[in-house]
Amino acid sequence: AQTVTQSQPEMSVQEAETVTLSCTYDTSENNYYLFWYKQPPSRQMILVIRQEAYKQQNATENRFSVNFQKAAKSFSLKISDSQLGDTAMYFCAFMSSGAGSYQLTFGKGTKLSVIP
Amino acid sequence: NAGVTQTPKFQVLKTGQSMTLQCAQDMNHNSMYWYRQDPGMGLRLIYYSASEGTTDKGEVPNGYNVSRLNKREFSLRLESAAPSQTSVYFCASSEVFTSGNEQFFGPGTRLTVL
Repeated sequence: AQTVTQSQPEMSVQEAETVTLSCTYDTSENNYYLFWYKQPPSRQMILVIRQEAYKQQNATENRFSVNFQKAAKSFSLKISDSQLGDTAMYFCAFMSSGAGSYQLTFGKGTKLSVIP
Repeated sequence: NAGVTQTPKFQVLKTGQSMTLQCAQDMNHNSMYWYRQDPGMGLRLIYYSASEGTTDKGEVPNGYNVSRLNKREFSLRLESAAPSQTSVYFCASSEVFTSGNEQFFGPGTRLTVL
């Protein structure tokens, strides 16, 4: 079974600064997908960014980018120019491409606080 | 489009009572999922339905049953609620070929079992 580990339960960053959230995972598969989801206080789960394992290029979405290190099984999220609206729980998630059902396995999350 | 909707938003049950959580999606997705979220934990998969007419157990299925009523609707039933089932429940849907494996989540149901 796959496992996802987020080693930072809580982090804080000053507004406009950059912060990196860590995620490692364990799998024996070669093809899979990785995701970062954001959960603000409203409780809604929102996709931030996704990465296909077969792509070597790191995914970027505006202020959000990832550092995907396949050999190290590492998938960190960098948030640039942090904004107050970035305050939320962030979950790293793994999806096997071979299961047929595309189930997500989540880490326990990192609580990010952006300080004015 | 409403996306994924869940009812109710909040519910309080007594131990032993039963209830059904409803979920519907209007995105024509084939796959639907039920997760639970406990404090300090990420979401854990309870059951999923890869397509209409099929359901399978996830990581934590004990104490739950599901029904894929049609392509739009996927319900979660607690036959005899226990305090350990106090949690926030999320429904999600996805479609590989149109949503790129992204799962779209409902707003969640906060369930308390006394």
